[in-house]
Amino acid sequence: GQQLNQSPQSMFIQEGEDVSMNCTSSSIFNTWLWYKQDPGEGPVLLIALYKAGELTSNGRLTAQFGITRKDSFLNISASIPSDVGIYFCAGLGNSGYALNFGKGTSLLVTP
Amino acid sequence: GAVVSQHPSWVICKSGTSVKIECRSLDFQATTMFWYRQFPKQSLMLMATSNEGSKATYEQGVEKDKFLINHASLTLSTLTVTSAHPEDSSFYICSARVPGLNQPQHFGDGTRLSIL
Repeated sequence: GQQLNQSPQSMFIQEGEDVSMNCTSSSIFNTWLWYKQDPGEGPVLLIALYKAGELTSNGRLTAQFGITRKDSFLNISASIPSDVGIYFCAGLGNSGYALNFGKGTSLLVTP
Repeated sequence: GAVVSQHPSWVICKSGTSVKIECRSLDFQATTMFWYRQFPKQSLMLMATSNEGSKATYEQGVEKDKFLINHASLTLSTLTVTSAHPEDSSFYICSARVPGLNQPQHFGDGTRLSIL
């Protein structure tokens, strides 16, 4: 599958700060997904986006499906220590089931 | 909803042993499940797509005789690492797709496999 360009690769921030990460692709996607993975565990779905331009929130998390269908961003507001982990973006293309993953953004939050 | 259970979570065994990992969708039926491998500090690498009632589809470079996949029911897929060697040590993660076009995959908690 196609590898998505996810940035930044890592972030080291203080508790209370806002965080922004994004993913871009050379191909269009029908669905954008954001997952969080804690060490030694499987990824957990945070937000799913199904339409271009869609802006969706899940608590302190907000994600948007880019108008061009080739990008998405995830924002975390007022970060807390439990936000620590690796965040992956993933896109679903025309197959409708095979995911293309970004390389992940590693987030560290200091108290 | 959409819970995926993976078992065991951790396996340590001797070289040459075959290891079976189970992936179950607990509250939905999954005609398609996926098996991934993840190396430290890297993204998930798709190994194969498991289809209920038919043969799995393997990604390029993945040995199907080494990684046997069985998807005998709508809620269970198994991955057997045959005659495992130290280079097979890795974190293996399964996922199941909620039925419907463009629906997300939900992941199990992964299996840490260590071959001595």
